[in-house]
Amino acid sequence: AAGVIQSPRHLIKEKRETATLKCYPIPRHDTVYWYQQGPGQDPQFLISFYEKMQSDKGSIPDRFSAQQFSDYHSELNMSSLELGDSALYFCASSNGQGVYGYTFGSGTRLTVV
Amino acid sequence: GIQVEQSPPDLILQEGANSTLRCNFSDSVNNLQWFHQNPWGQLINLFYIPSGTKQNGRLSATTVATERYSLLYISSSQTTDSGVYFCAVERNQGGKLIFGQGTELSVKP
Repeated sequence: AAGVIQSPRHLIKEKRETATLKCYPIPRHDTVYWYQQGPGQDPQFLISFYEKMQSDKGSIPDRFSAQQFSDYHSELNMSSLELGDSALYFCASSNGQGVYGYTFGSGTRLTVV
Repeated sequence: GIQVEQSPPDLILQEGANSTLRCNFSDSVNNLQWFHQNPWGQLINLFYIPSGTKQNGRLSATTVATERYSLLYISSSQTTDSGVYFCAVERNQGGKLIFGQGTELSVKP
């Protein structure tokens, strides 16, 4: 079965650079969620989109922005990267009703040096 | 907001042993899921279990929604069961998942 696809799997950036993470949800899933997981931490909600509109917002820095496109894929844009942005970034998708739960992608490991 | 507490925080088992992980939540929820995060960081969905009992091989889970807790049972543990087990709840339908702090399980051969 198709899963949530994230790219890239690993990313190394320098401080003050920009990064773009991509997420392709499960077909027919209309809701996408982004999470950030720091070392030794649980995943923290950043932002979500339902039918291409932002549906909820968590602790997402102003330096980050995201959007969902017409084909339902989503991109998380991160600017002026800081060392503290080093983390695992997960994307999850659901059918909006959450009837069968959320499926997570394999994550993007971002390292800022 | 809703609080999710998992216990124990750490657990060391000998291969073949059984264990029970607990998840308490502070308010009614629409959804509850158990995840296993393997050493490579992947979050694997184990159960979608807002209420009732489910079993999948050596794993089973029970959620008692009225008492606001869920249990994950691991029987005949194997070294590949090692990793962090997260409980996560959804307060409102279609809303974000809120994670507990996780239980780090280490199974020794």
